[in-house]
Amino acid sequence: QKEVEQDPGPLSVPEGAIVSLNCTYSNSAFQYFMWYRQYSRKGPELLMYTYSSGNKEDGRFTAQVDKSSKYISLFIRDSQPSDSATYLCAMNQGGSYIPTFGRGTSLIVHP
Amino acid sequence: GAVVSQHPSWVICKSGTSVKIECRSLDFQATTMFWYRQFPKQSLMLMATSNEGSKATYEQGVEKDKFLINHASLTLSTLTVTSAHPEDSSFYICSARAHPSPNEQFFGPGTRLTVL
Repeated sequence: QKEVEQDPGPLSVPEGAIVSLNCTYSNSAFQYFMWYRQYSRKGPELLMYTYSSGNKEDGRFTAQVDKSSKYISLFIRDSQPSDSATYLCAMNQGGSYIPTFGRGTSLIVHP
Repeated sequence: GAVVSQHPSWVICKSGTSVKIECRSLDFQATTMFWYRQFPKQSLMLMATSNEGSKATYEQGVEKDKFLINHASLTLSTLTVTSAHPEDSSFYICSARAHPSPNEQFFGPGTRLTVL
């Protein structure tokens, strides 16, 4: 079992839909949780950064962490074609700065 | 702020040659830089962690003599793929950690290496 599991998709949704992206993990020591967006042939861009459990909202993006279930989510409201990209979750332990990445979920938002 | 650049963005080389990839933090000092490799539709695979002024720490299975990493200054790290072979063809991405936000890594745009 991998430390971080993420469905590669692709996930195809119509413009305006609410998108839910998820990751599960096995290491209960993870405390810092990140979501990155990666466009084709580009480096990942940090979208959201969360510590421990709870929710964090930034514009159309909401990150949720449920440590009891070892489950994290990223919600995208009012999705746009420009949101089409691969979304990678990442997480690491406190004191360790090297995150473990999921394999990424490919999202396609069609007009 | 927090911009990381890579050069070149793509390179094609013949088998047996060496290729150098540069990673620069443009507007901050990066005490630690990371080098990743990414295959199509796969996640990022950490190759090594590079600290300024010291030897890089390589992940298990990564050949130190093949992937030479130098972190000569707080804004520049280089990855040299020595005696490249077609199986080294991949997307190489660097990232940098910006103090004092150690859990936020900022990634470069990546370098696509094709070895013929």
